[in-house]
Amino acid sequence: QLVLTQSPSASASLGASVKLTCTLSSGHRSYAIAWHQQQPEKGPRYLMKVNSDGSQNRGDGIPDRFSGSTSGAERYLTISSLQFDDEADYYCQTWDTGGVFGGGTKLTVL
Amino acid sequence: EVQLVESGGGLVKPGGSLRLSCAASGFTFGDAWMSWVRQAPGKGLEWVGRIKSKADGETTDYAAPVKGRFTISRDDSKNTLYLQMNSLKTEDTAMYYCARSKYFDYWGQGTLVTVSS
Repeated sequence: QLVLTQSPSASASLGASVKLTCTLSSGHRSYAIAWHQQQPEKGPRYLMKVNSDGSQNRGDGIPDRFSGSTSGAERYLTISSLQFDDEADYYCQTWDTGGVFGGGTKLTVL
Repeated sequence: EVQLVESGGGLVKPGGSLRLSCAASGFTFGDAWMSWVRQAPGKGLEWVGRIKSKADGETTDYAAPVKGRFTISRDDSKNTLYLQMNSLKTEDTAMYYCARSKYFDYWGQGTLVTVSS
């Protein structure tokens, strides 16, 4: 069964960088994933798709402060030059027989 | 500009029915696979179901918790996606979003469904 695993929380200082991780379950390391951001009291927003080869496709209007990468079964979202506005829940998502979401990582900007 | 606008949410009693709509604009709706995703209060995102494009057979698939109770349909002439929800349970209480494509590259703002007696 395809499962996406995310740490429940992360924190980093204003202006710094942070790397969030999404781990694909065994046997699924070739899958692409998407990252979505959900700011407080708002709907989700697509950030990018990250492929197994590390290539990425950012969504419309997403700044290049947001970047994706891959290592084996792990997919990463790196946010640089952190702003208070980046404080949000971040979800990874992929597709099997249906849509699959990770549990989300709550990012706090200190 | 791509826009997805949900409507139809509200308060309904357990066992009741509700139909949600998602009006799409800014892209060729008929070519898109569309999904419904929900989020219970304080919880994460949960995929509800998907409908393929007409060219791909308009096939539907559903998550286990809603299979047999929810039905997704589309009217490409109206650029509108629907979610018919029957036999509603309290655990169906959530914000419901429509989203485009396999990787949900556009989302609506959501419509709130509350199932309570």
